Amino acid sequence: AAGVIQSPRHLIKEKRETATLKCYPIPRHDTVYWYQQGPGQDPQFLISFYEKMQSDKGSIPDRFSAQQFSDYHSELNMSSLELGDSALYFCASSQGQGGDSPLHFGNGTRLTVT
Amino acid sequence: DQQVKQNSPSLSVQEGRISILNCDYTNSMFDYFLWYKKYPAEGPTFLISISSIKDKNEDGRFTVFLNKSAKHLSLHIVPSQPGDSAVYFCAASARGDYKLSFGAGTTVTVRA
Repeated sequence: AAGVIQSPRHLIKEKRETATLKCYPIPRHDTVYWYQQGPGQDPQFLISFYEKMQSDKGSIPDRFSAQQFSDYHSELNMSSLELGDSALYFCASSQGQGGDSPLHFGNGTRLTVT
Repeated sequence: DQQVKQNSPSLSVQEGRISILNCDYTNSMFDYFLWYKKYPAEGPTFLISISSIKDKNEDGRFTVFLNKSAKHLSLHIVPSQPGDSAVYFCAASARGDYKLSFGAGTTVTVRA
């Protein structure tokens, strides 16, 4: 079965640079979520989109922005990168909105900021 | 503030025996609970869920129990298999919400 696709798998950037992470949800899934998992930490919710509109916002820095496109893929844009942004970034998708549909996660993008 | 807590960071169990993973939550608005399994270098994989109208949900070797009054849920894996060795995350959400709150995870090691 098709899963959530994230690209790139690994990304190395320097401080103050910009990074763009991409997420392609499972077909027919209309909701996309972004999570950040730091070393030794549980995943933290960043932001979500339902039908191309932002639906919820978590602990996402102002330096980050995201959007969902007409084909439902999503991109997380990160500017003025800091060392503390080094983490695993997961995208997840689900069908429908609300809290009763399981999220299916991609394999993540490992971002390293040097 | 950690709203979902998994107080056991690790669990070691003999192959063929039962694995019991525990999870506690503090937010009384949570009404949908999920367990995810995660292998290294992979994203969390959905295992099983339960809504607050039930107290038990079973899917093959996996059973989730929910005790709403105690704000506690558990995952039972019977029988445990070596391929079950992974990190297990408990997660919760409130109906109408869009995000999951995760516990810190429990690393399960199944010994042959």
